[in-house]
Order: sequence, then structure tokens, then C-alpha cells
Amino acid sequence: DAGVIQSPRHEVTEMGQEVTLRCKPISGHNSLFWYRQTMMRGLELLIYFNNNVPIDDSGMPEDRFSAKMPNASFSTLKIQPSEPRDSAVYFCASSPLQTGQETQYFGPGTRLLVL
Amino acid sequence: GQQLNQSPQSMFIQEGEDVSMNCTSSSIFNTWLWYKQDPGEGPVLLIALYKAGELTSNGRLTAQFGITRKDSFLNISASIPSDVGIYFCAGGTSYGKLTFGQGTILTVHP
Repeated sequence: DAGVIQSPRHEVTEMGQEVTLRCKPISGHNSLFWYRQTMMRGLELLIYFNNNVPIDDSGMPEDRFSAKMPNASFSTLKIQPSEPRDSAVYFCASSPLQTGQETQYFGPGTRLLVL
Repeated sequence: GQQLNQSPQSMFIQEGEDVSMNCTSSSIFNTWLWYKQDPGEGPVLLIALYKAGELTSNGRLTAQFGITRKDSFLNISASIPSDVGIYFCAGGTSYGKLTFGQGTILTVHP
């Protein structure tokens, strides 16, 4: 079975450019999570969706960050404009969201470097 | 908000030794999960615990869901070089969100 798929795996861009990260969750999973990982702050939850609806975006750092989930098999995380402090590894995770069995499966991540 | 205290932060051990790490919290969780992250990869789920007191094994790994629902431990027996990586605990609530520990960096010397 295919796991969570993320693209691109690596992204290098210049400050001020728009960055779009993509995620395809595991088929049948109805929850999707976006995380950011840095050495200083560890794994931070940015936003998550249940049944394509954003439930909690309190972790989104600024208005420069936005996320969408137009359907059950696709989500995007967009940074516009990007800044050097956005450099991090961004993970997408999906979950079947069975109450009492909150298990998340992570993608391989997108390593973002903003120059 | 909820916080998890994971310890130790790092471990340096010899191949063949057993390893133990744990997570504690002031909050109650419905689920405890243990993940391993290799360099350049995403966290991979090792063990999931769903009931207080539950003890689960996966090969050389054993984990327990604390009876108070506020803690969990992970043991690795007879460590091997490929056990190297960062281990994370995570506590889950009924809303689906996970709270992660800070991670334990494991180094295994051959």
C-alpha cells in the first residue's frame, strides 16, 4: 500500500518567492495534518483537517501560510512570500481518525531552504 | 497546553545493550504512540497503545501505556546499529491531535 506522498522532497527558493508543498494522504484516511520540524522547536502542528474541513489552524505561524484540502486525496501548504526563517522540514501525516485509536502516518517530508 | 516530557534526551550505548526511554505528562491521553525517525526521513510508527496498562511488543521493542494514562515507556532489547535514530513519543486525544515529546537521540556503537 502506498503511504503518504509528499512533493517536492526538496525545495530551494529565494526569499519572497511563493512555495507550494503538496500531500496525498493514505487512501481512506479522513484526517490530514501538516507539521513543521526544526532543530530548535521540534515537531510543530501547523494545521489539520477532518473530512477536508480545516479544524484547527492555530499553529499556522502567520498569514503568509495557508493550507487547503480541496478533496480527500490532496492537500497543499502554501507560503507566500517565503522568508529564510521558514526553512525547515515540512511533514504531512494522515490518520483514519478512529476514536480511541488516534494514529498518524507520516510522509517523507519536504526539506525547504529559503535563501 | 499539553506538554510531554521525554527522557533521556540522548543515549550512547554499546551494541547488544538494552535501552529504555519514557514520556510523562500532566495531562491524560487516550493513545500513546512511539515513532522512530531516521535522518532525512519522516517519523515511522513503531508501536501504538490504546488502553491504560496495555503492554505491547513489536520484535525487540516493548512499550507500555501507563495505568494513570499520563506516561509511557519504550524498551529496546539487544540493540543493533540500525536502531540508531531519534525516537519520539506522542500522546493522542479524542480530537485526533497528537502532542509529541522532544525526542531521544539514540547512538549505538558497534
